Amino acid sequence: DTAVSQTPKYLVTQMGNDKSIKCEQNLGHDTMYWYKQDSKKFLKIMFSYNNKELIINETVPNRFSPKSPDKAHLNLHINSLELGDSAVYFCASSQVSVGTSSISGANVLTFGAGSRLTVL
Amino acid sequence: EDQVTQSPEALRLQEGESSSLNCSYTVSGLRGLFWYRQDPGKGPEFLFTLYSAGEEKEKERLKATLTKKESFLHITAPKPEDSATYLCAAGLQFGAGTQVVVTP
Repeated sequence: DTAVSQTPKYLVTQMGNDKSIKCEQNLGHDTMYWYKQDSKKFLKIMFSYNNKELIINETVPNRFSPKSPDKAHLNLHINSLELGDSAVYFCASSQVSVGTSSISGANVLTFGAGSRLTVL
Repeated sequence: EDQVTQSPEALRLQEGESSSLNCSYTVSGLRGLFWYRQDPGKGPEFLFTLYSAGEEKEKERLKATLTKKESFLHITAPKPEDSATYLCAAGLQFGAGTQVVVTP
């Protein structure tokens, strides 16, 4: 039973289109995240939600809009796709926010398998 | 601004040849230094968390250590299955990773 699942795994689309990536976690975690991994494998935080509330919104174009209908789901919608949006997008979750001090390890991230977005 | 820097970028080892990976960080109020392993086509997988200088953690052939400014991941007598990209994170900030290839 997959802990953090993302769909779709692969997405190929044309510039200017709008697309969504969905993420679900069955770990009962309170916090979920979206990361972008570029071609150089660098992982960059985009957004973080704690119990459906946006708590981190890094410098990301407003074409990217996250939405959390409940604490087990965090979706990412991207409008007017550009070539530079091509990357692997990872969803992750943690029991408590990573910014929280936690000796118990409750702030460890569990990642999904990633969604590879290719914009042509 | 929080920063995490990993070195080297890539490491090629013979099976059994021990080595160390470095992660230096500048963050305000460290709340855990994390090591993850990432295999091609997969998401990062948690290895260790270290919280205070002097702390060490071990798992099979891997040992992570922490000082006030850096962390090391020591790989002892590596096997080909240890080939992966090793990522270090301070809070939510990740380093660029070290790609390790272990050849038989």
